[in-house]
Amino acid sequence: IAGITQAPTSQILAAGRRMTLRCTQDMRHNAMYWYRQDLGLGLRLIHYSNTAGTTGKGEVPDGYSVSRANTDDFPLTLASAVPSQTSVYFCASSAENTGELFFGEGSRLTVL
Amino acid sequence: GENVEQHPSTLSVQEGDSAVIKCTYSDSASNYFPWYKQELGKGPQLIIDIRSNVGEKKDQRIAVTLNKTAKHFSLHITETQPEDSAVYFCAARESYGNKLVFGAGTILRVKS
Repeated sequence: IAGITQAPTSQILAAGRRMTLRCTQDMRHNAMYWYRQDLGLGLRLIHYSNTAGTTGKGEVPDGYSVSRANTDDFPLTLASAVPSQTSVYFCASSAENTGELFFGEGSRLTVL
Repeated sequence: GENVEQHPSTLSVQEGDSAVIKCTYSDSASNYFPWYKQELGKGPQLIIDIRSNVGEKKDQRIAVTLNKTAKHFSLHITETQPEDSAVYFCAARESYGNKLVFGAGTILRVKS
C-alpha cells in the first residue's frame, strides 16, 4: 500500500518561477492537507480540503493555491516562488472517523 | 484560534532513562491531542493520541497524560532506546474547523 505519494522529492527553483507539488493518496480519504515544516516553527497548515471539490485556507495560505478535482489528488501550486517559500512540504490525508493524519515523505523545495 | 506550545525544543537522554515532552494549548474546547514521531527524512507518523474524556493513555513504553484544567498534555517515554531518537510533535484539534494545530517539535536524542 503506497499511502501518500509526493513528487518531486526535492527541487531547486529560481525566484519568480511557477511550481506545482504533486500529492496522490490511495486510501480513499476524504480530507487532505498541505503543511510546511520549518525549523523552530513545526508544521503549519497551508491549505486543506475536506472533500473533493472543496478547499479551504489554513494558517499560512498566502502565495499558494490548491485544487481538489478528485478524491485522490491534491496539488499545491506556487504561482511565483519567493525565497521565503523555501521549506519542506508535507501532504497528508485523514479518515473522518479517526482523525489520524497520514503523511507523505515530503518535498524539499529551495527557492533561490 | 488554537495555539500549541511545546517544550523542550531539544532533549538528550541516556539510553534506558525516561523522556518527557510537554505541551500547552489555548482552546479549552479542544478535545483531541495526538503525538507524532518524525524520523530523519520521513513524514510524521502517529504514535499515540488522547481524547479529552481520558486523563492518561499507555501503549507499551509510551504514555500520554492530559490535564484539561491546566490545558496541558505530556508525552512520556520510558526505557528509551536509540531508535526513539527522532523529532516529536504534539498537536491539538481546533474546536472550530476540526483541524490539527501542531507544536514546534522536540528533537529527542537517545545516547547509547
